[in-house]
Amino acid sequence: GAVVSQHPSWVICKSGTSVKIECRSLDFQATTMFWYRQFPKQSLMLMATSNEGSKATYEQGVEKDKFLINHASLTLSTLTVTSAHPEDSSFYICSARDGGLASLTDTQYFGPGTRLTVL
Amino acid sequence: AQKVTQAQTEISVVEKEDVTLDCVYETRDTTYYLFWYKQPPSGELVFLIRRNSFDEQNEISGRYSWNFQKSTSSFNFTITASQVVDSAVYFCALSEDDRYTGANSKLTFGKGITLSVRP
Repeated sequence: GAVVSQHPSWVICKSGTSVKIECRSLDFQATTMFWYRQFPKQSLMLMATSNEGSKATYEQGVEKDKFLINHASLTLSTLTVTSAHPEDSSFYICSARDGGLASLTDTQYFGPGTRLTVL
Repeated sequence: AQKVTQAQTEISVVEKEDVTLDCVYETRDTTYYLFWYKQPPSGELVFLIRRNSFDEQNEISGRYSWNFQKSTSSFNFTITASQVVDSAVYFCALSEDDRYTGANSKLTFGKGITLSVRP
């Protein structure tokens, strides 16, 4: 149980285009999903917290107009990198929290990640 | 503010050796959760264990064991009889309860430890 999928697993795009990444919880409902970014040989950096049916909460320094997050259902959140540039090239990972307010059972389960390369 | 320190950056061992990965955390809350995740070369984060601050019992799962010591704010991870498949980056993470919703807040990750197990 607790499987999270991401699509696509990798994408190469031209500078200036937009890229959408999907994150799905396959066997549980996730009221909260998280989006992380990871540069080579570095730790995960939280970009934003996505709550179903409401606006995402972005971390300091993350441009919300550049990284659009939509969490339209309890099993799907999307991250759109708008007008991508080479510096946006990175490994993007989503996670979904299994459980609502019952914190005793909450654990974040991670998707397999999406490697974005912007030429 | 919460903080996770993984002082070891890279560890290399020979197969069948035991290895301990250190994790030290800082938090002002009395209720918090500690996690270990494994990130193999494929990139996907694999959940290994979650421990809440009220449960100091050590845990053993096969070749894996965890030592939680609140007195030293440490949550160390030991792999017994290491295998080549254990080669990965291991992250320790901390989350605290959101004081308004009671749910886990966002995860704070350490920088990760790269473990290489040589045959």
